[in-house]
Amino acid sequence: GAGVSQSPSNKVTEKGKDVELRCDPISGHTALYWYRQSLGQGLEFLIYFQGNSAPDKSGLPSDRFSAERTGGSVSTLTIQRTQQEDSAVYLCASSLVGGDGYTFGSGTRLTVV
Amino acid sequence: QKEVEQNSGPLSVPEGAIASLNCTYSDRVSQSFFWYRQYSGKSPELIMSIYSNGDKEDGRFTAQLNKASQYVSLLIRDSQPSDSATYLCAVNLRTALIFGKGTTLSVSS
Repeated sequence: GAGVSQSPSNKVTEKGKDVELRCDPISGHTALYWYRQSLGQGLEFLIYFQGNSAPDKSGLPSDRFSAERTGGSVSTLTIQRTQQEDSAVYLCASSLVGGDGYTFGSGTRLTVV
Repeated sequence: QKEVEQNSGPLSVPEGAIASLNCTYSDRVSQSFFWYRQYSGKSPELIMSIYSNGDKEDGRFTAQLNKASQYVSLLIRDSQPSDSATYLCAVNLRTALIFGKGTTLSVSS
């Protein structure tokens, strides 16, 4: 596609429920990243996929968070047993190669009530 | 120790002035440096990248890099009210970009 597409744009969920966030990167971009941004805070790195290599999961805050990337394209970030502190904007980005400048999607605003 | 540091601001400049935004980073192996602009409620947008020491100019924007001092800056000439946003410095750290918390710029008309 022309840009990085994320869905849903907004998600309200009850504490303890699982959520799935989707990212469709720019066609041909081999690198895909997930970040989250809490109100008034900076961008927190979560996970990085590069081609068929094992992902860099070093930024995932707990084992409730996981992500996969199927066929080197679409990625899904899953948060299990959501907590109120998970409320944030989750941003996906892609780049042609790792280390290059990113293009961000418009984000998913997650609210846990 | 924070890996990428920026003054949070706000930095206030009058229309037409030069805005100077600064960033320091801690990891000497970093090779790629980026500036992003983020309007309130929007996603970050890449505006400049710089990879080697010196200056890089693109329109009203100039990025400056000094690897020995581990310092990156962004100059915005002839600042416009539409430049009012948060500017994020990002540094390539091994696999992914690490972002500073950003400097909020306010340009008054």
